[in-house]
Amino acid sequence: RKEVEQDPGPFNVPEGATVAFNCTYSNSASQSFFWYRQDCRKEPKLLMSVYSSGNEDGRFTAQLNRASQYISLLIRDSKLSDSATYLCVVGNTGFQKLVFGTGTRLLVSP
Amino acid sequence: EAQVTQNPRYLITVTGKKLTVTCSQNMNHEYMSWYRQDPGLGLRQIYYSMNVEVTDKGDVPEGYKVSRKEKRNFPLILESPSPNQTSLYFCASSRASGIGYEQYFGPGTRLTVT
Repeated sequence: RKEVEQDPGPFNVPEGATVAFNCTYSNSASQSFFWYRQDCRKEPKLLMSVYSSGNEDGRFTAQLNRASQYISLLIRDSKLSDSATYLCVVGNTGFQKLVFGTGTRLLVSP
Repeated sequence: EAQVTQNPRYLITVTGKKLTVTCSQNMNHEYMSWYRQDPGLGLRQIYYSMNVEVTDKGDVPEGYKVSRKEKRNFPLILESPSPNQTSLYFCASSRASGIGYEQYFGPGTRLTVT
């Protein structure tokens, strides 16, 4: 079983749609959680950190459920520019290790 | 401009010919790391460094070496490249302990070993 699992997609949605991605992690000692965005074969860039209380940044909302060991990302009012691969990333401070999911691909169409 | 730079961006080489991929950051970050990205496998950590002269293995260190003689530089060395090292490589840097903070990635190096 992979340490971080994501549905690879692709998720095909029209502009304006709301779309949600989930990510599960296996290591209960994980302590930091992030969503990164990666455009085609370019470097990943931080989209948002994920906090236990949940957090929102404009159209993006991230949630963490420690009991069930999953993280979610909700994108509202999708834009064409949201088309990208979204990487779920989990960190374990004890081992100084970041584990990346394989990513979920989102395609937003006009 | 705060950035991580990598060179070369593209490299085609032959099996066994030693190569070095350079990585440099201008943000005074303590933590630096190297990843490789392969289809279906995601980003996997090769080596990381908590600070100058402190390096440690990641998940896939076999066939790679690193050094951290200066804070800003973290080169990746392939002493004897093999075709299974064909991949997209990213260098990243971060503040302090690293994994609790945003990782800043370089633009990537696409390596092909024939």
